[in-house]
Amino acid sequence: NAGVMQNPRHLVRRRGQEARLRCSPMKGHSHVYWYRQLPEEGLKFMVYLQKENIIDESGMPKERFSAEFPKEGPSILRIQQVVRGDSAAYFCASSPPLQPIFYNEQFFGPGTRLTVL
Amino acid sequence: AQTVTQSQPEMSVQEAETVTLSCTYDTSESDYYLFWYKQPPSRQMILVIRQEAYKQQNATENRFSVNFQKAAKSFSLKISDSQLGDAAMYFCAYRSNAGGTSYGKLTFGQGTILTVHP
Repeated sequence: NAGVMQNPRHLVRRRGQEARLRCSPMKGHSHVYWYRQLPEEGLKFMVYLQKENIIDESGMPKERFSAEFPKEGPSILRIQQVVRGDSAAYFCASSPPLQPIFYNEQFFGPGTRLTVL
Repeated sequence: AQTVTQSQPEMSVQEAETVTLSCTYDTSESDYYLFWYKQPPSRQMILVIRQEAYKQQNATENRFSVNFQKAAKSFSLKISDSQLGDAAMYFCAYRSNAGGTSYGKLTFGQGTILTVHP
């Protein structure tokens, strides 16, 4: 069973360009979380998605950031008109369907390192 | 909102020695999980150990063990017989199990960089 895949691993953009980060969850996982890690900081939750639904986007910046998880294909985190402050490592994690009693581990991808010039 | 605090930005240990990393958290909930993750230079997040709040027994995974003090809201990680491969950034994380709007998201501390000296 392949792990969580993220691509690209490294992405360089100039200010004002768009960045698209992809995340393919583990097989059988229908839940995806996106986290951002700014330099020298811990990971911060951004958004939680299930197939075709955004469930919790309380950690997403209000502007320029969007996320989707279509019925087919990977989850996409999209950043429009990037600025230098968007430079960070972006991680996605997937988990199987939540159950109220049992523990569900989140499996992390290797991350995408975004550099904005 | 829950917060997680790691007050040690950096720690170091001699190979084969024992080191303890500290973590405190703040929550009003009673049902939650706590985790320690390791992030080596590759940046891959690796789960080291987890603790369920309703279990009084401290979790253990080989050389890694925790000291979970629920009343004090403290969750420290002890690494015994430290190895060079243990060198990494270590993150403490909290996850509510209360349902509702928590949705299983993780709240991380700031991290502790662990250096292992040969």
